[in-house]
Amino acid sequence: DQQVKQNSPSLSVQEGRISILNCDYTNSMFDYFLWYKKYPAEGPTFLISISSIKDKNEDGRFTVFLNKSAKHLSLHIVPSQPGDSAVYFCAASASFTGANSKLTFGKGITLSVRP
Amino acid sequence: EADIYQTPRYLVIGTGKKITLECSQTMGHDKMYWYQQDPGMELHLIHYSYGVNSTEKGDLSSESTVSRIRTEHFPLTLESARPSHTSQYLCASSPKNEQYFGPGTRLTVT
Repeated sequence: DQQVKQNSPSLSVQEGRISILNCDYTNSMFDYFLWYKKYPAEGPTFLISISSIKDKNEDGRFTVFLNKSAKHLSLHIVPSQPGDSAVYFCAASASFTGANSKLTFGKGITLSVRP
Repeated sequence: EADIYQTPRYLVIGTGKKITLECSQTMGHDKMYWYQQDPGMELHLIHYSYGVNSTEKGDLSSESTVSRIRTEHFPLTLESARPSHTSQYLCASSPKNEQYFGPGTRLTVT
């Protein structure tokens, strides 16, 4: 049973427009959420995170929104650039302050940014 | 950001061979992890360690074993490789909550 779901396997957007990547989770114990970007044949790169005490976190072109009541988070990339084309993984942890910070990952969304 | 290294990057090996995938990090992180990932699928945690001489099995059952004799080193060993072990293996380390990944090892067992 998947606890972190990225239901759209792919997304294509025009360069300069906004990319919105969605993620849903089922485990109410999750209190810390992360987004990773992965190119083929490379390891994931950490992008941005958010704890459950916030509903928004922004870092340059990347903003993550958290809706705890809906158990939903989204990553907004604006403006989108061709170099953003990659697989984006959503991940969640059930222990923000504890030692047991294991991450549960979704299956990823392939983002294609068209020039 | 962590400096974390994995070798080899690519490995093609025959069935029955013993292999060790190396993972090292230079940031002094206590927590280290091994994941297995296939295309289009999520990362599955197969082993983790919260410090020297501490190792635990992850959520996905794996025939591999790990050791943590030094903080910076977390090798993964397969005693007898099989085609079902073909996958990408990703190592990560963490100072607290964010995990930082190495480049991965793409293993193919023929």
